[in-house]
Amino acid sequence: SQQGEEDPQALSIQEGENATMNCSYKTSINNLQWYRQNSGRGLVHLILIRSNEREKHSGRLRVTLDTSKKSSSLLITASRAADTASYFCATHSGSGAGSYQLTFGKGTKLSVIP
Amino acid sequence: DTGVSQDPRHKITKRGQNVTFRCDPISEHNRLYWYRQTLGQGPEFLTYFQNEAQLEKSRLLSDRFSAERPKGSFSTLEIQRTEQGDSAMYLCASSLGQGKNEQYFGPGTRLTVT
Repeated sequence: SQQGEEDPQALSIQEGENATMNCSYKTSINNLQWYRQNSGRGLVHLILIRSNEREKHSGRLRVTLDTSKKSSSLLITASRAADTASYFCATHSGSGAGSYQLTFGKGTKLSVIP
Repeated sequence: DTGVSQDPRHKITKRGQNVTFRCDPISEHNRLYWYRQTLGQGPEFLTYFQNEAQLEKSRLLSDRFSAERPKGSFSTLEIQRTEQGDSAMYLCASSLGQGKNEQYFGPGTRLTVT
């Protein structure tokens, strides 16, 4: 079963604009990760945020985590056409059964229009 | 530095046939994962190996599915008596372990059962 729910399911923006995607999850986590997937390809790891962190940056990416609300957001600034892809959040529970698997949401499909 | 590789990239088979997929992880990674992804969904965890030991199996992994990782290097995923519902992208990922939870994914094997 899928733990995360991304919102929105699809997002279309103009090149240069910022894109924000949200993820909600249900159970306690060790860390939360964001992945990108281009159509028909494998997933590329973008960024990992641990449960004791609130915000993390990597290049044009900014991730926030609110464990009290069980939610995370991914902000992509100054978007480019090459950012067009599906973005998934994945949670890692880190303890007990299922402790090494990632549980993915359904993804947000981002289209950046040149 | 080579990434995770999977073979074949595409497989078309008739219902009832057996298929086997191979995954070669990043060489120094001792953890290996199999996921299944259907259209419009995020990846769903199937099974996980630490070195040669299969430590976790999802309920999704019916008795028609078997995975091995002999000698803790490459892994194979076999599906016996394939069904149309097995049509999906099968993704392999590996991670270093030792507190490094980022998973690196291969390009996937797309299975079509006719």
